[in-house]
Amino acid sequence: QKEVEQDPGPLSVPEGAIVSLNCTYSNSAFQYFMWYRQYSRKGPELLMYTYSSGNKEDGRFTAQVDKSSKYISLFIRDSQPSDSATYLCAMSPLYNTDKLIFGTGTRLQVFP
Amino acid sequence: NAGVTQTPKFQVLKTGQSMTLQCAQDMNHNSMYWYRQDPGMGLRLIYYSASEGTTDKGEVPNGYNVSRLNKREFSLRLESAAPSQTSVYFCASSERSGGVNIQYFGAGTRLSVL
Repeated sequence: QKEVEQDPGPLSVPEGAIVSLNCTYSNSAFQYFMWYRQYSRKGPELLMYTYSSGNKEDGRFTAQVDKSSKYISLFIRDSQPSDSATYLCAMSPLYNTDKLIFGTGTRLQVFP
Repeated sequence: NAGVTQTPKFQVLKTGQSMTLQCAQDMNHNSMYWYRQDPGMGLRLIYYSASEGTTDKGEVPNGYNVSRLNKREFSLRLESAAPSQTSVYFCASSERSGGVNIQYFGAGTRLSVL
């Protein structure tokens, strides 16, 4: 079993839809949770991160962490065609933040 | 501001050939990383370097060697390429911000081994 599981998609939604992207994990030591966005043929770039449980909002993006369920989510409101990309979750324990464990990524397509 | 620069962008090798993937960062970061990305497997860490002069194995180090030449540069070498090493390779560097380690990635090197 992988430490981090992520549905690969693809997920196809119309412009303006609310998108929910999710990851589950098995290591209860994970404390930092990140979302990276990767456009086609580009490197991943950090979208946002959260520490421990709770929510964090940045514009149209909201990250949620539920440590009791070992489940994290990224919500995208009013999705745009420019949001079409692969979204990777990543996480690390407090004792070793040098190493990130990545999910496989979910490919999202937002059509006009 | 270049960030993390990887060369080459594309490479085709024959089985048994060797090559070195180059990576340089201009953000004065201490830590640098090499990942490979394969369909359905996500990003897997090959090697990383926490500081100049130190390197450590990651999840999939077999068949690779690395050199942290100085603070800016971290190279990945394939001594005898195999078809299983066909992949997209990403270099990253990181800084610590408020306790979290934020990694910045290069654009990748697409390698095919025939």
